[in-house]
Amino acid sequence: DAGVIQSPRHEVTEMGQEVTLRCKPISGHNSLFWYRQTMMRGLELLIYFNNNVPIDDSGMPEDRFSAKMPNASFSTLKIQPSEPRDSAVYFCASSNPGQGYYGYTFGSGTRLTVV
Amino acid sequence: DAKTTQPPSMDCAEGRAANLPCNHSTISGNEYVYWYRQIHSQGPQYIIHGLKNNETNEMASLIITEDRKSSTLILPHATLRDTAVYYCIVRSYNYGQNFVFGPGTRLSVLP
Repeated sequence: DAGVIQSPRHEVTEMGQEVTLRCKPISGHNSLFWYRQTMMRGLELLIYFNNNVPIDDSGMPEDRFSAKMPNASFSTLKIQPSEPRDSAVYFCASSNPGQGYYGYTFGSGTRLTVV
Repeated sequence: DAKTTQPPSMDCAEGRAANLPCNHSTISGNEYVYWYRQIHSQGPQYIIHGLKNNETNEMASLIITEDRKSSTLILPHATLRDTAVYYCIVRSYNYGQNFVFGPGTRLSVLP
């Protein structure tokens, strides 16, 4: 089990550029979550999917952010255009509600720096 | 909003037991207590969870008071690698209930 795989690990981009973060959940997990972590706000849930369908995107900060899950093994979080205040670590997590503990498995994160 | 209160930081000597407290006085009957930890630069890691009985696994023990208004995570023999931020979260199994992370407790294990 390779765990939740995120790419890239680090991303540095200029303000105004489009940024795409990628996530591969654990095979068999049917829920996927995108979190953002900053020093000021801690860990915040941005959006989550069940069976590839977005369920709650109320945490997405604004229209510049969008997320997709075209199939059970892949999801993207896109920021267009990016701004310096988007600098943060973005985590993807997946879970299988059929598991007894219904916990999340997190990826290693993508550290985004917008200059 | 996080439904738990934790001390912002704690120290523990290496080899000693680390006891991390958490208050959750408004916990509902169907809500579980979960503990995660986040080692620097890594994603949060599940540790343990429980409803009302004490729980133990290979990582830690969870002691929940009888009124369920507080709990303690115990790392029986802390090592330097246990230095991390520990999050206590209450959550039900109901559909749509997600994990809301508060600021947690920063545990420093000292040599």
